[in-house]
Amino acid sequence: QVQLQESGPGLVKPSQTLSLTCTVSAGSISSANHFWSWIRQPAGKGLEWIGRVYISGSTNYNASLKSRVTISIDTSKNQFSLNLSSVTAADTAVYYCATDSFGRDAFDIWGQGTMVTVSP
Amino acid sequence: DIQMTQSPSSLSASVGDRVTITCRASQSVSRYLNWYQQKPGKAPKLLIYGASSLQGGVPSRFSGSGSGTDFTLTISSLQPEDFATYYCQHSYLTPRTFGQGTKVDIK
Repeated sequence: QVQLQESGPGLVKPSQTLSLTCTVSAGSISSANHFWSWIRQPAGKGLEWIGRVYISGSTNYNASLKSRVTISIDTSKNQFSLNLSSVTAADTAVYYCATDSFGRDAFDIWGQGTMVTVSP
Repeated sequence: DIQMTQSPSSLSASVGDRVTITCRASQSVSRYLNWYQQKPGKAPKLLIYGASSLQGGVPSRFSGSGSGTDFTLTISSLQPEDFATYYCQHSYLTPRTFGQGTKVDIK
């Protein structure tokens, strides 16, 4: 069973870039059967899909964040990453990485989540 | 973007109760509708995919139905471990969007 683990700074200053990495274990990120996504959740609020990457490097982003988001994949490290630029307090949230497999079209595996606070 | 609206936003129920949560999409999503359970401090857990398919390891008291724009999650007999927040999510196209959540707590 594939496992996901997020890593990165827990505190980011306003206007800077939030950078997180998701490491895939017990499986290969090169699987043709998976999309790799980032999802976030502000405290006490609902879930927001940020975007996803495929093994080919092709991406889809939420239009609400598209101008600030980059998601990339590194097959040599079995990792995929999120960069969110020009952050504000509104970007403070728990960030999850997740995968959905072809056929299910649902987020069936999630990381544990990592809290990121945007503050001076 | 497709908007997902859940009702109710919260409900109180007792152990053994039958609980129904509804989710409405702003346009047809066919059967590309999923349900998740989230407990405090934890990542969401997939319960139902494709509107009615039970994810492996999920108890059979959970069931899903619907197609098009209207969907239902039913818990046939609420258990203590089911007190949580439930989210619907469509996978018809991108961006994927979630409902606002339904919190199920103890009456």
